[in-house]
Amino acid sequence: AQSVAQPEDQVNVAEGNPLTVKCTYSVSGNPYLFWYVQYPNRGLQFLLKYITGDNLVKGSYGFEAEFNKSQTSFHLKKPSALVSDSALYFCAVRESGNNRKLIWGLGTSLAVNP
Amino acid sequence: NAGVTQTPKFQVLKTGQSMTLQCAQDMNHEYMSWYRQDPGMGLRLIHYSVGAGITDQGEVPNGYNVSRSTTEDFPLRLLSAAPSQTSVYFCASSYGRGGQGSYNEQFFGPGTRLTVL
Repeated sequence: AQSVAQPEDQVNVAEGNPLTVKCTYSVSGNPYLFWYVQYPNRGLQFLLKYITGDNLVKGSYGFEAEFNKSQTSFHLKKPSALVSDSALYFCAVRESGNNRKLIWGLGTSLAVNP
Repeated sequence: NAGVTQTPKFQVLKTGQSMTLQCAQDMNHEYMSWYRQDPGMGLRLIHYSVGAGITDQGEVPNGYNVSRSTTEDFPLRLLSAAPSQTSVYFCASSYGRGGQGSYNEQFFGPGTRLTVL
């Protein structure tokens, strides 16, 4: 069965420093991987996705994610964090084939300190 | 475009009451889904639909019913509310026929915060 894990409940980073939010996955076929962000009292917003091709995927708001097949990871990164990046971040996975569902990680709370 | 709209924003029910959470989208998306979000549990899929007239169960379907009579609307019905159904409910939609919608960007509504006493 497919699954996704976000090993850190919370990440703290100083403004201007690089940030990484980790995600690992388990699927039986080719993975389709997504990152979403949730600001307080709001619905989720799409950041980026990996389907195939380049392992480095660029997305919204200066975020990027690196797909690593050997480590089954899809970590979210940003070179220079902003206070406004403080939010809840979710990783999700869908495997190829007839399974038509997305499976979500539990979320990582990112706090960027001024 | 209004995107994905959900009503109501807040609701308080007593145990045993029934109600319907409304979800509508104006993007002509085939794929729609309902999630619940609970602290420490992330997002859990309740039901989803790949098009009008087609629905399927997600991870936590018990106590909820759905129907999809039009492309635009995907209401979620609580048959007999229980305190365990206290949660924030999100509706989402994406383009793509059949199951292809789950490969694509999901557009989320603002959520309904439900409390069952």
